[in-house]
Amino acid sequence: ILNVEQSPQSLHVQEGDSTNFTCSFPSSNFYALHWYRWETAKSPEALFVMTLNGDEKKKGRISATLNTKEGYSYLYIKGSQPEDSATYLCAFRSGSARQLTFGSGTQLTVLP
Amino acid sequence: EPEVTQTPSHQVTQMGQEVILRCVPISNHLYFYWYRQILGQKVEFLVSFYNNEISEKSEIFDDQFSVERPDGSNFTLKIRSTKLEDSAMYFCASNEEGVFGQGTRLTVV
Repeated sequence: ILNVEQSPQSLHVQEGDSTNFTCSFPSSNFYALHWYRWETAKSPEALFVMTLNGDEKKKGRISATLNTKEGYSYLYIKGSQPEDSATYLCAFRSGSARQLTFGSGTQLTVLP
Repeated sequence: EPEVTQTPSHQVTQMGQEVILRCVPISNHLYFYWYRQILGQKVEFLVSFYNNEISEKSEIFDDQFSVERPDGSNFTLKIRSTKLEDSAMYFCASNEEGVFGQGTRLTVV
């Protein structure tokens, strides 16, 4: 059983604050790490697919880093806005299977 | 931007009844997946489908479940005799990029 963990479970920040969360995953047999943004009643929105150790990807104010050797990824949000409020999911794909194994998510609330 | 669409968005069914959840994946994608999320729990993999047959399945995907692609476009998940514990949000996803549909919330009463 693959173990993918996210922390913190939930987070409240003030508008304008920068924040980050962690995803930890198995360091062996790595293929890819996905980050999703999920708002209630909508489909999970793909943010990043990360494949290479040391990868850093950016989309607007959101960025992510990847360390496959130690099995973690960070997601950063710079200058949080209320519309960033959502659950952020990470999902691990191993080299031996195509399906994704999800973490439990970090629920972010940005207070105006 | 191409989308994965799922119907219905909500389904309430009596325990023991059969349900069919439908998905229209992105047309040129080859791999299709069903996941589910029971309230308060992690998103769990159910089954993957490639070339008109099951590619991989989890322990959850027992004889009660089946998938098919009846007409080359729709991708369906059938639950034969629903149980209370089948209540969950069911997601269809397409290809390794993991493009998800908006989900079907199934409630078994």
